[in-house]
Amino acid sequence: GEDVEQSLFLSVREGDSSVINCTYTDSSSTYLYWYKQEPGAGLQLLTYIFSNMDMKQDQRLTVLLNKKDKHLSLRIADTQTGDSAIYFCAESKGSASKIIFGSGTRLSIRP
Amino acid sequence: DAMVIQNPRYQVTQFGKPVTLSCSQTLNHNVMYWYQQKSSQAPKLLFHYYDKDFNNEADTPDNFQSRRPNTSFCFLDIRSPGLGDAAMYLCATSRDNGYTFGSGTRLTVV
Repeated sequence: GEDVEQSLFLSVREGDSSVINCTYTDSSSTYLYWYKQEPGAGLQLLTYIFSNMDMKQDQRLTVLLNKKDKHLSLRIADTQTGDSAIYFCAESKGSASKIIFGSGTRLSIRP
Repeated sequence: DAMVIQNPRYQVTQFGKPVTLSCSQTLNHNVMYWYQQKSSQAPKLLFHYYDKDFNNEADTPDNFQSRRPNTSFCFLDIRSPGLGDAAMYLCATSRDNGYTFGSGTRLTVV
């Protein structure tokens, strides 16, 4: 079946790196996503990675994929107060296929 | 510019009174989705339209219906809202190059 799991909370100090982890069960997943959701807002796509890649970097964001272990991580360098949000890991079998979301990791920033 | 627009942003409805949420898109995407997101939970897919073909998820309650009169618009109808239906409802569209989400409608049932 399809399942995506994440830890619920992460607290980091401002300026440090944040690493949010995710595991998924469906080995046929083709796309793996990270979405950000601020309070009361919709979902904002941060980045995605194809299953045939093992790393993708985009400015402060680094995504690592271990396909063998079905493990995905999102690293946010130099974490700022504006990064405070819920981060959802998600997977799909295609760019127009339904997306299965994890339960989200709430990232809080301490001064 | 907003490309997937959901109206209204906040909706209050009475217990048992039918309510309709709307979604429109300017992207000409052929697939439209409705997700339900309860507080502190993952978004859950209710159904989607692939062009005019309606696809219901197996565990979507019968209380929830959808209409897609044309490519641009999709509606979510809740026939008899219960307190447990209070949630954020997210519309999304996709074509070959990925998803776009709307900002959501937060539904309160009183």
